[in-house]
Amino acid sequence: GQNIDQPTEMTATEGAIVQINCTYQTSGFNGLFWYQQHAGEAPTFLSYNVLDGLEEKGRFSSFLSRSKGYSYLLLKELQMKDSASYLCAKAAGNKLTFGGGTRVLVKP
Amino acid sequence: DTEVTQTPKHLVMGMTNKKSLKCEQHMGHRAMYWYKQKAKKPPELMFVYSYEKLSINESVPSRFSPECPNSSLLNLHLHALQPEDSALYLCASSPGGGGNTIYFGEGSWLTVV
Repeated sequence: GQNIDQPTEMTATEGAIVQINCTYQTSGFNGLFWYQQHAGEAPTFLSYNVLDGLEEKGRFSSFLSRSKGYSYLLLKELQMKDSASYLCAKAAGNKLTFGGGTRVLVKP
Repeated sequence: DTEVTQTPKHLVMGMTNKKSLKCEQHMGHRAMYWYKQKAKKPPELMFVYSYEKLSINESVPSRFSPECPNSSLLNLHLHALQPEDSALYLCASSPGGGGNTIYFGEGSWLTVV
């Protein structure tokens, strides 16, 4: 398998910062995606990293280290609407394999 | 416009029924996918079509039969399903080639009774 690992659940306070880590097997790697999924809805694209480093998009940033098989998604200035599952996914060719997802609960 | 359209949004079918899920994209994408997602689980890949040819079948039971009539359309034909097949079925597309962003449709909720 792809052994894509991420924490099951995280809780944070509104306005705070949360970092969701993801580790994966490095073989056949083409890129690392992060998706957000609210309950009962389809996943929506957040970010895509193919080279090492940090990609910033507003309140969300994603980091990749290819040699370590490691990525993280950083959510800043948390809002209540950020409560959702965050899915790390590894691309290998045309195949996208998801980690188990991290449920983030934002509390007031 | 990054839109993948799926119909129907909800489907209830009996175990002896034959039904189809449909997916359409007009982004010129050359790769299309079917994923299955159970509650509180991540999406699991079922099939990949690349340039209208089936390139990946993740050992899916034959009661699920994909079809790609043209580069914009992807169907999933369902026959003799089991209650455990009840799930959210997600269609997705990407430009093609490795590592391109994959865009998901809103999904079809399937209940097998």
